[in-house]
Amino acid sequence: QQQVKQSPQSLIVQKGGISIINCAYENTAFDYFPWYQQFPGKGPALLIAIRPDVSEKKEGRFTISFNKSAKQFSLHIMDSQPGDSATYFCAASNSGSRLTFGEGTQLTVNP
Amino acid sequence: GAVVSQHPSWVICKSGTSVKIECRSLDFQATTMFWYRQFPKQSLMLMATSNEGSKATYEQGVEKDKFLINHASLTLSTLTVTSAHPEDSSFYICSARDSTQYFGPGTRLTVT
Repeated sequence: QQQVKQSPQSLIVQKGGISIINCAYENTAFDYFPWYQQFPGKGPALLIAIRPDVSEKKEGRFTISFNKSAKQFSLHIMDSQPGDSATYFCAASNSGSRLTFGEGTQLTVNP
Repeated sequence: GAVVSQHPSWVICKSGTSVKIECRSLDFQATTMFWYRQFPKQSLMLMATSNEGSKATYEQGVEKDKFLINHASLTLSTLTVTSAHPEDSSFYICSARDSTQYFGPGTRLTVT
């Protein structure tokens, strides 16, 4: 019940396209859903996060869509750029406790 | 945003020796810090949760006598890998929490 399932495992997008990464969770007690971006050899960096009281949050080119009834949330990267090429992790937590991470998605944006 | 540092960024040690990794929250106080390890092309695996002034809570399967964690202050936690072996070679990442978790840059440990 603590799992967070992430898909796809890898994603290739052309420059200017939309990258979409999906996550699904089981634990209905989760109340915080962040997305992290990780470049090779670096630690994860918080990209954007959402709480279940809203269905969408947008920050620049990054948008989280949240579907509470389906227990799913997704990251949309608009106008994808080669510099966005990285590994993206979704995560979930309950009241600030430990994060449960998805398996990660390796995004490649071709120029 | 909040900054978390780790030192060293990479370390090579010989099998059987011990190595200490430091994790510092630079601009905030962190009651709780977390230690993760990450193998290539895999997700982060939580090793332990470290609370200031108390014993760390280890995840199932993590040897607490091998991975010693100390959280002596609100800005510093240390992970000591004792009697390191080649299978301990990995990328170790800490995080510190105020309202959210902020991750350090990671430490690459190679045991020869």
